[in-house]
Amino acid sequence: QVQLVESGGGVVQPGTSLRLSCAASGFTFSNYAMYWVRQAPGMGLEWVAVIWHDGSNEYYADSVRGRFTISRDNSEKSLYLQMNSLRGEDTAVYYCAKDMAAAGNVPFLDYWGQGTLVTVSS
Amino acid sequence: HSVLTQPPSLSATPGQKVTISCSGSSSNIGNNFVSWYQQLPGTAPKLLIYDDNKRPSGIPDRFSGSKSGTSATLGITGLQTGDEGDYYCATWDASLNGVIFGGGTKLTV
Repeated sequence: QVQLVESGGGVVQPGTSLRLSCAASGFTFSNYAMYWVRQAPGMGLEWVAVIWHDGSNEYYADSVRGRFTISRDNSEKSLYLQMNSLRGEDTAVYYCAKDMAAAGNVPFLDYWGQGTLVTVSS
Repeated sequence: HSVLTQPPSLSATPGQKVTISCSGSSSNIGNNFVSWYQQLPGTAPKLLIYDDNKRPSGIPDRFSGSKSGTSATLGITGLQTGDEGDYYCATWDASLNGVIFGGGTKLTV
């Protein structure tokens, strides 16, 4: 069965960095686009970033562009989110999610991880 | 303030039917497929509808999707107390070059 397991969340100070990981299993990881979606406490879903199945394209939300980098290692079946210059407004549960397609511009997110909480606070 | 507009909340009784609207524009819904997600309290989102109106395996036919122009609709019939949660629409926006989610609709049953 498909499993997505996020890790790397925690409490960090503003201006610092954090790297999230998502370990995938139960499907051919290299065939599908992957996403990071976040949800601030009590708020709705916010798309963060997407990467195509082969890493050929990446797109970012305006709120994180230039600070966050999405990447993947298909040999390790892992997705990553490098988060730099963190701000209080980045505090959220971060979900990794699998697309039904190889390209990420038709977002059908059919499997989601359980999420990892990132808290940015001094 | 989301680019995709959903009603913030809806309330209905068990057994009733509800529809949740998602209004966008030609840069998103008007020219791209829509998906819908259900998020029950304390859980991760779950895909309900993709490709405007298709259900993934395991999603009951009480859930349906439709689209007309720049608006999409999620329908739920035979409401159950277990359907209580938040519902989100999503699509690609060609102007923003990214994915957009609706603000979410909190459904109370």
